Amino acid sequence: EPEVTQTPSHQVTQMGQEVILRCVPISNHLYFYWYRQILGQKVEFLVSFYNNEISEKSEIFDDQFSVERPDGSNFTLKIRSTKLEDSAMYFCASSEGTGVYGYTFGSGTRLTVV
Amino acid sequence: AQSVTQLGSHVSVSEGALVLLRCNYSSSVPPYLFWYVQYPNQGLQLLLKYTSAATLVKGINDFEAEFKKSETSFHLTKPSAHMSDAAEYFCAVSDRTGGGNKLTFGTGTQLKVEL
Repeated sequence: EPEVTQTPSHQVTQMGQEVILRCVPISNHLYFYWYRQILGQKVEFLVSFYNNEISEKSEIFDDQFSVERPDGSNFTLKIRSTKLEDSAMYFCASSEGTGVYGYTFGSGTRLTVV
Repeated sequence: AQSVTQLGSHVSVSEGALVLLRCNYSSSVPPYLFWYVQYPNQGLQLLLKYTSAATLVKGINDFEAEFKKSETSFHLTKPSAHMSDAAEYFCAVSDRTGGGNKLTFGTGTQLKVEL
């Protein structure tokens, strides 16, 4: 069964450093997403991406965050200057279409900011 | 804005017993509804989804959920719990209007299965 692949599975970074989280969505999917889950809390939407541009973003997704699909296969989330409160599990997801399709999620990247 | 309420952050059942995990949504227009499962240290796996084709939806691993518009509910059930069902379960909604496809998740229910 096709999978969404995320790397690395765990990343530790110092506060203020830039991090890039990487994802390879399912090849025929058109919509891409990032979600995060702070430990013990619910899964929160960050951003959706379609046709090489952001289609929707949450208030969490401020100027410190950016997304990119640099080469037609990878989908990245960059955090420019990490804060302690960015520590969370970050999930990438992709879908064929909107609404009815649902998503396929990756297994996540656990980001720890120290 | 869409919201989802999952009653009971922790549910404990005996192996072989009925599993019932509750989910209520708030929307005047029935949204698309999903149940996801998260096993320890893993990602989110789709269990089942409601898209209006049928009110009783069957998913993987013998899970099913029934959409009840009058109760704005989409509770998840399984007739007989297995130890392997121990995980966290998330109900999620996607807005049916406006073409949006953001998922809004509930706070999750941790299912414990005891011998």
